[in-house]
Amino acid sequence: LAKTTQPISMDSYEGQEVNITCSHNNIATNDYITWYQQFPSQGPRFIIQGYKTKVTNEVASLFIPADRKSSTLSLPRVSLSDTAVYYCLVVGSGGYQKVTFGTGTKLQVIP
Amino acid sequence: DTGVSQDPRHKITKRGQNVTFRCDPISEHNRLYWYRQTLGQGPEFLTYFQNEAQLEKSRLLSDRFSAERPKGSFSTLEIQRTEQGDSAMYLCASSLPGTGPYYGYTFGSGTRLTVV
Repeated sequence: LAKTTQPISMDSYEGQEVNITCSHNNIATNDYITWYQQFPSQGPRFIIQGYKTKVTNEVASLFIPADRKSSTLSLPRVSLSDTAVYYCLVVGSGGYQKVTFGTGTKLQVIP
Repeated sequence: DTGVSQDPRHKITKRGQNVTFRCDPISEHNRLYWYRQTLGQGPEFLTYFQNEAQLEKSRLLSDRFSAERPKGSFSTLEIQRTEQGDSAMYLCASSLPGTGPYYGYTFGSGTRLTVV
């Protein structure tokens, strides 16, 4: 299973773009990279998933370089409501039953 | 469909008592997972079911813990002889089988257990 490493915490002002980078050096060929968001007293919520290059949805963008050993979650123009913990996960060919959550990145958005 | 439901949301129990939590997954999801989360940590995998079959259990799941999914729909997680170290948020998630973007977890809001 690929281990992931993320910064423990980040601060950002409202309206700024936030980039959270995750390293996963031993990612396997068939693995996907997935990001989840968790607010206090709630379960994690799926944000975005990608395999390579760039993926964009209405919430975020995910950038994955060619070697796939890292990925960057980009949140455009954050607001106070984006204050949460963000988890980077590597999902293998066995599916979600073997997913490991790390400690995540606690993002604090400042007014 | 209202998503994944967990009951109760909060449970306070005395050490040594047994507790049972319930999870109702999204109806078309045949995979169901239990996770435990302590303060400041990410969720830790406990066990998962595909339909009614329990296919994997973590070493975290001691013999005081048991999970069932009798008809492949809702699931229960029972903790016997609770200890203070069992205090945590217990999260349930469900999914379809697969690894692509449509197969991610949908989590419930969790059951917060406090053992006093």
